[in-house]
Amino acid sequence: DADVTQTPRNRITKTGKRIMLECSQTKGHDRMYWYRQDPGLGLRLIYYSFDVKDINKGEISDGYSVSRQAQAKFSLSLESAIPNQTALYFCATSDSLGQGPGSNVLTFGAGSRLTVL
Amino acid sequence: AQSVTQLGSHVSVSEGALVLLRCNYSSSVPPYLFWYVQYPNQGLQLLLKYTTGATLVKGINGFEAEFKKSETSFHLTKPSAHMSDAAEYFCAVTNTGGFKTIFGAGTRLFVKA
Repeated sequence: DADVTQTPRNRITKTGKRIMLECSQTKGHDRMYWYRQDPGLGLRLIYYSFDVKDINKGEISDGYSVSRQAQAKFSLSLESAIPNQTALYFCATSDSLGQGPGSNVLTFGAGSRLTVL
Repeated sequence: AQSVTQLGSHVSVSEGALVLLRCNYSSSVPPYLFWYVQYPNQGLQLLLKYTTGATLVKGINGFEAEFKKSETSFHLTKPSAHMSDAAEYFCAVTNTGGFKTIFGAGTRLFVKA
């Protein structure tokens, strides 16, 4: 099984619908992130969480919300989807411990492609 | 705030030729610099990472990058391109506190036979 699993992998929905993207990890990492990828813009941070009780907005949080249900689970919700939220969404995790070679390295899921019509 | 600029959204090389992908970061030296690679229909994976110490960093698949503080650059190179190197490459830095990763816009590498 993948270290970081995202569901669904693909979703087509209509404007105004509520959508939830789910992420679970087996890395044991404390930090989890949601990024959005758009062509020519790279990845932009939507939300990040350092533990279950710590949720922070990233640079493009408007229109999105998140829930950290457990250390291993971090879901992203679009309360009322709009077409410009059509994008590829990535969940990622990282380990905050120490300064070793693995610290601050992001482990990504395979992505969730969302299309809003 | 930290920012990352990747020069060239597309780079095309012939198989066996040198690969050079350019990355510049904003003036304050970030705690960490990275290159990630994204193959089609996959998430990003780490190629290499620079923290402190030796400025030439070796990564996977024969790639390496050199940190040049005077030029605020962290360019990625590979001496001889292989068809399997065709992918999108992202330069990234952490913010000053080290808890957020900021990505460049990406460079798509094409390798011609």
